[in-house]
Amino acid sequence: ILNVEQSPQSLHVQEGDSTNFTCSFPSSNFYALHWYRWETAKSPEALFVMTLNGDEKKKGRISATLNTKEGYSYLYIKGSQPEDSATYLCAFVQGTYKYIFGTGTRLKVLA
Amino acid sequence: DSGVTQTPKHLITATGQRVTLRCSPRSGDLSVYWYQQSLDQGLQFLIQYYNGEERAKGNILERFSAQQFPDLHSELNLSSLELGDSALYFCASSRSGGDTQYFGPGTRLTVL
Repeated sequence: ILNVEQSPQSLHVQEGDSTNFTCSFPSSNFYALHWYRWETAKSPEALFVMTLNGDEKKKGRISATLNTKEGYSYLYIKGSQPEDSATYLCAFVQGTYKYIFGTGTRLKVLA
Repeated sequence: DSGVTQTPKHLITATGQRVTLRCSPRSGDLSVYWYQQSLDQGLQFLIQYYNGEERAKGNILERFSAQQFPDLHSELNLSSLELGDSALYFCASSRSGGDTQYFGPGTRLTVL
């Protein structure tokens, strides 16, 4: 059974704080690692698709890194804002194109 | 708006019944994915199609089946429904396998 684990499960931070979460995935048969942002009552929206070991992606205040050899990815949010409150999902994509989602990190940014 | 459409938005039915959920992918996307999100659970990958062919299978029950048609829309058929099948069913599409997925708004299925 392939496991994708995300930590922490939930997180409360103050507006302006920087924060980061972890996604751990199997280090074999890697094809890609996706990050999605999922707001309550909406559908998941793509943040990043990462494919290369050592890859680093950035979109505004959000960035992500990837280590395929040890099987982890970090998502960073700099200067958190209330509108960043959401569940952040990672998805491990195997070479067979099978997607395995983590259970997410629920972020609440307090104003 | 992701460009992925799903119908119906809500569906209420009884145990033992059969339902069909429909998904139209974004224009130009060849891959379609189906997911189930049960109460307090994460996204469970069910199945993926690419250009009409099944490409990957996840935790899809034998009572469930899916297909992708020549116009690339997809249908998920759920039969002999049980109370535990009540969930939010998402469809997503991408250009090809492994690419960024764009999610539809979901179909909420309630089995009474």
